[in-house]
Amino acid sequence: GDSVTQMEGPVTLSEEAFLTINCTYTATGYPSLFWYVQYPGEGLQLLLKATKADDKGSNKGFEATYRKETTSFHLEKGSVQVSDSAVYFCALTNQGGKLIFGQGTELSVKP
Amino acid sequence: GAGVSQSPSNKVTEKGKDVELRCDPISGHTALYWYRQSLGQGLEFLIYFQGNSAPDKSGLPSDRFSAERTGGSVSTLTIQRTQQEDSAVYLCASSSRTEVGGEQYFGPGTRLTVT
Repeated sequence: GDSVTQMEGPVTLSEEAFLTINCTYTATGYPSLFWYVQYPGEGLQLLLKATKADDKGSNKGFEATYRKETTSFHLEKGSVQVSDSAVYFCALTNQGGKLIFGQGTELSVKP
Repeated sequence: GAGVSQSPSNKVTEKGKDVELRCDPISGHTALYWYRQSLGQGLEFLIYFQGNSAPDKSGLPSDRFSAERTGGSVSTLTIQRTQQEDSAVYLCASSSRTEVGGEQYFGPGTRLTVT
């Protein structure tokens, strides 16, 4: 069945460091890909998405490019802030719309 | 406008008791999803509603779990004879579109603790 694998955390970075969180997927057909974020004490929020190959999703300085050839959707940000500390989930939807999530990666940014 | 709401926010129950969790989706959203978030299993899909019908129940872990949706709006997830492994945060999400790529909006969740 469809699945998502993302790098394990926790990831600890200093403020202004470059961030990459790896995400790869296995799916039949042409899934849509998402990054969701869960800030401490808050609910899941959509961060960005891409619906077809080579699309780039972007929001709040974060970017991810849908790479069909490598079945990847890595999340990147050029300069992280303390306020980016959260748990990040990579996910896909295929037929039916249900989200299939990766295990989540906890990011901690230190000042 | 109002987002997805869930109640109660926290529920502590004794093993063997039944519990009901409620979800109020965003007004006008036809699709509604239940997920479960636990330490050992991450985020898992449970059930999906389109209107009042549930075309995908494949994630319900056992026949102790059931859900219904009435009036194309409120949904209730019921867990009968709760077990300790049912302890988790139960999340509800709604969407105005069901095609691939439609955004799902999540509620704050209900934290269920079975003692």
